[in-house]
Formats: sequence, structure tokens, C-alpha cells
Amino acid sequence: GENVEQHPSTLSVQEGDSAVIKCTYSDSASNYFPWYKQELGKRPQLIIDIRSNVGEKKDQRIAVTLNKTAKHFSLHITETQPEDSAVYFCAASLNQAGTALIFGKGTTLSVSS
Amino acid sequence: EPEVTQTPSHQVTQMGQEVILRCVPISNHLYFYWYRQILGQKVEFLVSFYNNEISEKSEIFDDQFSVERPDGSNFTLKIRSTKLEDSAMYFCASLGTGPLSGANVLTFGAGSRLTVL
Repeated sequence: GENVEQHPSTLSVQEGDSAVIKCTYSDSASNYFPWYKQELGKRPQLIIDIRSNVGEKKDQRIAVTLNKTAKHFSLHITETQPEDSAVYFCAASLNQAGTALIFGKGTTLSVSS
Repeated sequence: EPEVTQTPSHQVTQMGQEVILRCVPISNHLYFYWYRQILGQKVEFLVSFYNNEISEKSEIFDDQFSVERPDGSNFTLKIRSTKLEDSAMYFCASLGTGPLSGANVLTFGAGSRLTVL
């Protein structure tokens, strides 16, 4: 089955800096890669996703890149703000209803002002 | 915005007791999931459910676990005989087409925190 590795486990940046979180996946059949943000004590919430027919996607300060050949994808946050502090999870699955999202272990991002 | 609702928000139980966690998925969604998150760890897939049957389950989802859709709105997770290691946050999720990419988007409930003593 799918296995998702995520790095780093913790990331501390200064406000205004960029943050990059990287994930690798094992199942070459996976074709859907969402990123979730989980604030302390709350549910994971989808912030951006990418499908395997696209190499990059951007939404304001966040972007995701995908390298299918290398089976890795990354989350980029620019101009970080204190409210970006949270745990970020990458995930992978087949883009097919009913299949499981398999999550990475999470990255705790701390943005200090 | 439609939400997935879960009850109870927190349950404390004695080891060996049965627990039922309840979820009301988003009304027009057809695929339902349970995930769990042990404190400080990643979100782990337990089971997916469609058309009144399990479509996929993980190694965690052993014979102590069961799921049911007893009526048109509720989706339940039962743990038959709880163990200490079952202590975790249990998230229900349902699947529907979302605005971000047209892919099916998983929406999580707020979670049920289970504490087994």
C-alpha cells in the first residue's frame, strides 16, 4: 500500500520568510496530493491540492509542486505570518472515490514575529 | 458551509468497555471514512464505507472495530472492547466534489476524543 514520508518534522521560521515542506510517496498509481493544515485541537482542513496531470499549483501565498518521476511533492508558503503556525500534513491517494487518503507524519510550523 | 458533525466531542471509558462514536456526514456525500489521530501523531486511516459496506480498511481496523450506517444520516464507529492504546482523537470524514480542483475533497468532522482508562 501507499506510504508517505514527510520532512521536516518541525520547522521554525521568522515572519516574512518562506517555508518549504517536502513529501515523498511510494505508490506510483497515486494521483491526488492534498495538503491539510491542522491548528491545535482542531480538525485537519484542506488548504491546497494537486492532481498528477499538473506540475505546480499556486493559491496566493501557498503553492504546491509535484514531481511524478521522483514521486515527491512539496508545499511552499511565502511571506509567512504567525497565523500560518500549525501542523501541516501531506497526503496521497488515488483520485477515486472510496480510496483512502494516506497521510504523512506532519510538520509543525512555527512562525515567530 | 456544510459540515460533518461528530458526537460525543469527548468520551472517557474504562478498558474493556464498548464505545460508539457517531457522525453525521454532509448530506449529499456518499463515501464516509474514519481516521484516528493519537496525540501528537499523524492522522491514520481506519476504514472507508460506501453503499452500506466497507470499501477499504487498514490493519488498525481489526475485529474490535465495526462501522454501521443505521439510518439515512448517521455513520457510527463501534469499538467492541476498548484498550488503552485506543485512546485517540477519532475523525469522521465524508467525500464530495470540492471547489479547489474538481477532485473529490475529504471534509473532516471536529473529532471525538476517546480516553480509555
